[in-house]
Amino acid sequence: AQSVTQPDIHITVSEGASLELRCNYSYGATPYLFWYVQSPGQGLQLLLKYFSGDTLVQGIKGFEAEFKRSQSSFNLRKPSVHWSDAAEYFCAVGSRGAGGTSYGKLTFGQGTILTVHP
Amino acid sequence: ETGVTQSPTHLIKTRGQQVTLRCSSQSGHNTVSWYQQALGQGPQFIFQYYREEENGRGNFPPRFSGLQFPNYSSELNVNALELDDSALYLCASSLDGGTYGYTFGSGTRLTVV
Repeated sequence: AQSVTQPDIHITVSEGASLELRCNYSYGATPYLFWYVQSPGQGLQLLLKYFSGDTLVQGIKGFEAEFKRSQSSFNLRKPSVHWSDAAEYFCAVGSRGAGGTSYGKLTFGQGTILTVHP
Repeated sequence: ETGVTQSPTHLIKTRGQQVTLRCSSQSGHNTVSWYQQALGQGPQFIFQYYREEENGRGNFPPRFSGLQFPNYSSELNVNALELDDSALYLCASSLDGGTYGYTFGSGTRLTVV
């Protein structure tokens, strides 16, 4: 069964500092990997996704993530955090179905709450 | 293009009642997935509909059921509500089963009292 672990429940950084949010997954084959962000009371916004190809993925809002198969990791990074980045971040793994398509089940981690100090 | 729209945004129901939540998928998307997000948790997959048929289901009892309509909008129905059903219910739409990613709506906050 697929699973996702986000080891850090809560991270606090200062504005302008760099950020790395950790994500480890368990999946039998090459996974689909996603990072989503959620503001309080809101739905999920996709930051970036990895399906195949280049293991360094660029996303919106200056975020990037690197897929490391040997470590089963897909960590999210940002070189300089802005106060508006404060939110909860979710890593998710998706299943690959027949023909390389996904049949839709995303398995999410518990989330990491990011607090940004001025 | 329009995004994913869910209604209602908030709902309060009594234990034992039934509830229907609605979702309009993003224009051009033929796949809808539903997720339950309890407070402080990550979303959990309930089921997915692709071209009006259920093609994947998570670990939820049969009292959670759904429909997808010809215009690809969707409903989530929950019968015999329990207190633990209180959660944010998220709908996500995608194209062709999710190959190109998923767009989430803002959710329906269901409170069961």
